[in-house]
Amino acid sequence: EAGVVQSPRYKIIEKKQPVAFWCNPISGHNTLYWYLQNLGQGPELLIRYENEEAVDDSQLPKDRFSAERLKGVDSTLKIQPAELGDSAVYLCASSLGASGTYEQYFGPGTRLTVT
Amino acid sequence: DAKTTQPPSMDCAEGRAANLPCNHSTISGNEYVYWYRQIHSQGPQYIIHGLKNNETNEMASLIITEDRKSSTLILPHATLRDTAVYYCIVRAFGGATNKLIFGTGTLLAVQP
Repeated sequence: EAGVVQSPRYKIIEKKQPVAFWCNPISGHNTLYWYLQNLGQGPELLIRYENEEAVDDSQLPKDRFSAERLKGVDSTLKIQPAELGDSAVYLCASSLGASGTYEQYFGPGTRLTVT
Repeated sequence: DAKTTQPPSMDCAEGRAANLPCNHSTISGNEYVYWYRQIHSQGPQYIIHGLKNNETNEMASLIITEDRKSSTLILPHATLRDTAVYYCIVRAFGGATNKLIFGTGTLLAVQP
């Protein structure tokens, strides 16, 4: 079974430029998560989707960050414009369902460097 | 969700048991203890979880004290591939939201 796929694995951009990250969850997983991980810290949840609906986006900085999951499968996380402080690893995870009985499976992440 | 306290780092000799402690003194009755690990340049990986009984799977054992205020993850025969950051998380099981709140974890370095 294929795991969570993310691309690109690495991205270097200049500040004020836009950037997008793509995630393909495990087949059949209805719940999708985007996490942000700063150096030396644990991941922090940015947004959670149930199918195509964003049900928890309270930690997403909406002035510059946006996300979508149009058909309830793949998802894209965008930053526009990027700032130096956005340099971090962006992780995508998925699970069969929303409740706490389901294990989350993580992708390898996208490491973003903003110069 | 209850907070956890873990040592920032630990060393272990290859082939020996690695015992990773976690303090969760404010854990509630309906909260489980979860362990994840994150190998360098990879996403976190689920290891094991438990409520109050000791648990064992193919990866590790989880020992939870009788008062549930602390637990220990045991890797019985650590290998170099077990070098990773290990996160102890407590949260409600079967709750409405599948939310993981990570701390800073313990960096386990397995030495040859």
